[in-house]
Amino acid sequence: EAGVTQSPTHLIKTRGQQATLRCSPISGHTSVYWYQQALGLGLQFLLWYDEGEERNRGNFPPRFSGRQFPNYSSELNVNALELEDSALYLCASSSMAMSGYEQYFGPGTRLTVT
Amino acid sequence: EDQVTQSPEALRLQEGESSSLNCSYTVSGLRGLFWYRQDPGKGPEFLFTLYSAGEEKEKERLKATLTKKESFLHITAPKPEDSATYLCAVQGSSNTGKLIFGQGTTLQVKP
Repeated sequence: EAGVTQSPTHLIKTRGQQATLRCSPISGHTSVYWYQQALGLGLQFLLWYDEGEERNRGNFPPRFSGRQFPNYSSELNVNALELEDSALYLCASSSMAMSGYEQYFGPGTRLTVT
Repeated sequence: EDQVTQSPEALRLQEGESSSLNCSYTVSGLRGLFWYRQDPGKGPEFLFTLYSAGEEKEKERLKATLTKKESFLHITAPKPEDSATYLCAVQGSSNTGKLIFGQGTTLQVKP
């Protein structure tokens, strides 16, 4: 069974630009979560999408946004990039129908802002 | 405020030397406590879910236990390939979808 996939693996952007990160959940999973893991910091919750709707967002500015498509894949957009946005962005998926509350993570996208 | 604290921050063991990692948590109603393993530059790999005090789960050399205030990850006779950062996370009873993570324990097992 294929796991959560993310693209691209690495992304280098300049301050002020926009970044788009993509995630495909495990087949059958309807919920997608986004987390930020900055160097030296723990995983911080960004966004939760379920059945195409944004269900919750963490304590991040509005320039962090996203969406979930009908096939349950998801996109995270970061506008007006700042140097401190450099981090590993992790996507996770889950399905209450298939498992417990556990979230399964993808390999991440390393975003570097210069 | 929901919070997770892991200790120690770093742990160095000799191959075969058993030890335990601690995860203390405060949460308003525990929906689940999760253990993950993370290798450098990679996404966390799911290990265990614990739902209620007294519950235990095992996988190879790892055993996770849960009390009302903390969880332990016991590593029996570790091997160098067990070297990684171990993350603990909790989800509260209000269904926010959010996992609250600790800072992790970085384990190094020397041959």
